[in-house]
Amino acid sequence: DTAVSQTPKYLVTQMGNDKSIKCEQNLGHDTMYWYKQDSKKFLKIMFSYNNKELIINETVPNRFSPKSPDKAHLNLHINSLELGDSAVYFCASSHSRNTIYFGEGSWLTVV
Amino acid sequence: GIQVEQSPPDLILQEGANSTLRCNFSDSVNNLQWFHQNPWGQLINLFYIPSGTKQNGRLSATTVATERYSLLYISSSQTTDSGVYFCAVPHPTQGGSEKLVFGKGTKLTVNP
Repeated sequence: DTAVSQTPKYLVTQMGNDKSIKCEQNLGHDTMYWYKQDSKKFLKIMFSYNNKELIINETVPNRFSPKSPDKAHLNLHINSLELGDSAVYFCASSHSRNTIYFGEGSWLTVV
Repeated sequence: GIQVEQSPPDLILQEGANSTLRCNFSDSVNNLQWFHQNPWGQLINLFYIPSGTKQNGRLSATTVATERYSLLYISSSQTTDSGVYFCAVPHPTQGGSEKLVFGKGTKLTVNP
């Protein structure tokens, strides 16, 4: 069983569209994250939720909106996609501040 | 904010060779994690190592928190060890929580 699963794995879309990436974890963790990896492989946190409460919101355009319906799910919705949004988006989870486990990534390409 | 520097940025080895990857950080931390990103993009945690030494098969890691560095040792490297190795340390946020700050990684290529 996949511990942290995210869908879709690949997403190609046009500028201006709205898209969502879904994430689910079955590890019983209380904290979930979204990370962005740019073309230079640099990993940076975007958001973090603890028990459905937003606890980290980095400097991210407000076109990005996370939603956590419950502890096991954290979705990322992106409005009005831009070319610069092309990246790999990783969902992750952890129990409080312990070891973090990543999903397989969602490759987003905006054309 | 905290700075995390990894060296070397790139490393090319022949299969069977040993290597040491280094992670320096600019502030005191209470833990450190090492990750391997394989050529297919998967990020796999290797070690959660706030201090001391841990071993897992051919890999081992040592963190000297007082001197603000950690080392990842890979012995008898295999082609499957290829990929990018990241270290990450926690950094407090304004809201009272912590975020992981990643280094830029060491890209390892192991040739047969």
